[in-house]
Amino acid sequence: GAVVSQHPSWVICKSGTSVKIECRSLDFQATTMFWYRQFPKQSLMLMATSNEGSKATYEQGVEKDKFLINHASLTLSTLTVTSAHPEDSSFYICSLRRESTGELFFGEGSRLTVL
Amino acid sequence: KQEVTQIPAALSVPEGENLVLNCSFTDSAIYNLQWFRQDPGKGLTSLLLIQSSQREQTSGRLNASLDKSSGRSTLYIAASQPGDSATYLCAPGGAGNKLTFGGGTRVLVKP
Repeated sequence: GAVVSQHPSWVICKSGTSVKIECRSLDFQATTMFWYRQFPKQSLMLMATSNEGSKATYEQGVEKDKFLINHASLTLSTLTVTSAHPEDSSFYICSLRRESTGELFFGEGSRLTVL
Repeated sequence: KQEVTQIPAALSVPEGENLVLNCSFTDSAIYNLQWFRQDPGKGLTSLLLIQSSQREQTSGRLNASLDKSSGRSTLYIAASQPGDSATYLCAPGGAGNKLTFGGGTRVLVKP
């Protein structure tokens, strides 16, 4: 069965609004979750590493004030795209790590379209 | 900085043929390497995880090898089926278990 649940699977919003994407671990407690972005016909790019109970670590070039990450529990991490603009339109995917093996599991992704 | 290259970028084969997907990476200091499958508009499905100490992993018709010192991994899919059509991604895992993804190999298996 699914290990990761991501919601919503797609969202359309107006420019300037904020959008929240949830990532839930269904099978085990996840201390660390990762957020990726994928543009059409491109591979996945890591945006940030979400650590439970502490601040997220952002990759170079990713604006932390624009992409707010909250990892308040061991089963839930959220990504909020603030003041979204058309260039933020992308496919956002979360993943979490099974600590015992290091294996990563991915959600089904959330397609964001900003008009 | 880790760089991952997957060759070929696209592959089209008739049903029943064996598939060979290649992955090369520049930094051999990895903890593991995962192969994923991605269907259009979907997330990633983990296929195989190879720890850095292992040479290969097998799951059903799938077999992945890892040559860490030369920075290479190969995914073999035996007796391909139309349902195997997807994009296959290779991702070595470095410090902090950060994965670096290759561009993927887009596979089409024709009935």
